[in-house]
Amino acid sequence: DTGVSQDPRHKITKRGQNVTFRCDPISEHNRLYWYRQTLGQGPEFLTYFQNEAQLEKSRLLSDRFSAERPKGSFSTLEIQRTEQGDSAMYLCASSSANGRFYEQYFGPGTRLTVT
Amino acid sequence: AQTVTQSQPEMSVQEAETVTLSCTYDTSESDYYLFWYKQPPSRQMILVIRQEAYKQQNATENRFSVNFQKAAKSFSLKISDSQLGDAAMYFCALNTDKLIFGTGTRLQVFP
Repeated sequence: DTGVSQDPRHKITKRGQNVTFRCDPISEHNRLYWYRQTLGQGPEFLTYFQNEAQLEKSRLLSDRFSAERPKGSFSTLEIQRTEQGDSAMYLCASSSANGRFYEQYFGPGTRLTVT
Repeated sequence: AQTVTQSQPEMSVQEAETVTLSCTYDTSESDYYLFWYKQPPSRQMILVIRQEAYKQQNATENRFSVNFQKAAKSFSLKISDSQLGDAAMYFCALNTDKLIFGTGTRLQVFP
């Protein structure tokens, strides 16, 4: 069991550029979550997938954000036309079966800095 | 709306002593789970302890235990015999398909 992995760990980009992050969940987990964490705050839910289906999106997820999980395994989170307010830690988590009752295991996060 | 409130931004404790971190929550769901997660500096989130809402018995994991008061919607974490490695941000979280986190409590442990 290799745990949840995320790539890259750090990303620095200029305002207006597009960025894409990848998350590889624990292999037997069928639920995958994305959260955003700003400095000094708790993580905030963005979206989640069960297998390849995106089941819920937060209002935090503006039209510039899109997430995919094409084969029910890894997921990508893309931010288009980045803004300085997008600077944050982006966390991925996975859980098995019914996510309500199973703890979520977190990856190390991708820290995004928009200059 | 579902909310989680941690009213202690920072707490400190001496090694070997006991500390309690507070958490209150609000939800209209009858079936939910509560968690405490630990986030060491620049390291990933680790699950500390979980509590099923339907269970009256408080959860315990080694030096970590909770005081779950369902009617009061309170879920505090007690750390006994505190160790230097316990220093971290601690987040209380309510699980109803997705996690709703509090703002965290930074715990410092002094030798």
